Amino acid sequence: GAVVSQHPSWVICKSGTSVKIECRSLDFQATTMFWYRQFPKQSLMLMATSNEGSKATYEQGVEKDKFLINHASLTLSTLTVTSAHPEDSSFYICSARDRRGGLTPLHFGNGTRLTVT
Amino acid sequence: GENVGLHLPTLSVQEGDNSIINCAYSNSASDYFIWYKQESGKGPQFIIDIRSNMDKRQGQRVTVLLNKTVKHLSLQIAATQPGDSAVYFCAETVWSDMRFGAGTRLTVKP
Repeated sequence: GAVVSQHPSWVICKSGTSVKIECRSLDFQATTMFWYRQFPKQSLMLMATSNEGSKATYEQGVEKDKFLINHASLTLSTLTVTSAHPEDSSFYICSARDRRGGLTPLHFGNGTRLTVT
Repeated sequence: GENVGLHLPTLSVQEGDNSIINCAYSNSASDYFIWYKQESGKGPQFIIDIRSNMDKRQGQRVTVLLNKTVKHLSLQIAATQPGDSAVYFCAETVWSDMRFGAGTRLTVKP
């Protein structure tokens, strides 16, 4: 089945530093990838939609200058949390849709636990 | 539309019993629905999907029911096992835009 690999699975960083999270589709090509944030005991909150070769579309309330998204190829999207602060600590999850389209499920990575100290 | 983080409702069942998890969706134009299972510390895992031209679909131990009249989706798990303990999310799709429900935490008691 379709596999999405997310790296790293967890990261601890100091306040003020930047962290990059990678999302790769391993056995399919994805023109669209999605980034979510999830707080404990809550649902997934869509942050942005990443489109290969174009700018990401951010959800209302998500700072595009703080959460930089790059979708440089059909198999890789990155999310960079810039100048991280403790309130950015969360579980970040990516998903990808097969470029062949149609009514197909999104495939999810296993998430990245970010802790900002 | 926006999705909003909500605290998860919970369902507790005895091992071996059947579980029914419900979901109300918002957009009558949604044409594709998916149930995902999320275990602690992991990403959501696909369970079963259904298109809007169907009202029932069965998988291995799972059944999804779709009632478009009242915009309701349910997931039935037969003979629930401890390994089924997780958070379950429904998702609706319209024009390739997928939105998630609040999720339900299923706890299976031995």
